Amino acid sequence: QSALTQPRSVSGSPGQSVTISCTGTSSDVGTYNYVSWYQQHPGKAPKLMIYDVIQRPSGVPDRFSGSKSGNAASLTISGLQTEDEADYYCCSYAGRYTLVFGGGTKLTVL
Amino acid sequence: EVQLVESGGGVVRPGGSLRLSCAASGLTFDDYGMSWVRQSPGKGLEWVAGINWSGGTTGYADSVKGRFTISRDNAKNSLYLQMNSLRAEDTALYHCARVRGVPFTPYYMDVWGQGTTVTVSS
Repeated sequence: QSALTQPRSVSGSPGQSVTISCTGTSSDVGTYNYVSWYQQHPGKAPKLMIYDVIQRPSGVPDRFSGSKSGNAASLTISGLQTEDEADYYCCSYAGRYTLVFGGGTKLTVL
Repeated sequence: EVQLVESGGGVVRPGGSLRLSCAASGLTFDDYGMSWVRQSPGKGLEWVAGINWSGGTTGYADSVKGRFTISRDNAKNSLYLQMNSLRAEDTALYHCARVRGVPFTPYYMDVWGQGTTVTVSS
């Protein structure tokens, strides 16, 4: 159970697009299409943004999208808004009823 | 509205034990798996343990395996985490979360509690 690998930080200007990568292994991301993404603002509980690699829960703007290729998944946020500034975490099923998170990425909207 | 409210956190000495609880409301509790996720101060999220709807299937992070036990009481709409042999590195905010998936495979967590704080210190 090794944590998934995410960049420590990314940044973008309002209106731009950013992509956050999430690299796993053939034991998690590479085998299962159960990658989810969470947004966390300071002092708040995490919020589900993407599940099953590409699905958006009701209420999440379509500016948020997910994808996967091989052992890596990605979260793309288009049309950046100031309220998107937060920490983002990927998560994958890893077999035997276990989940594994990425280390988290701090998104700064300049 | 679905609500998850954690309790039971506190300060404990290394080697000690603590039992966390999570009270669920606004949902049919035994329709869902549940998980515990923790966040150490200034650090990222770490999945700790999960349990399926019946309690018959559980999973643990390697960092807590053999020390922590997840359980549930569907009659009381409650989830628990028994933590033994606590270490300084277990200091964190512990969230419970509702799991979506199928009986033997958790897919993702869609509802989260605000968490309860555990501090392990001498």
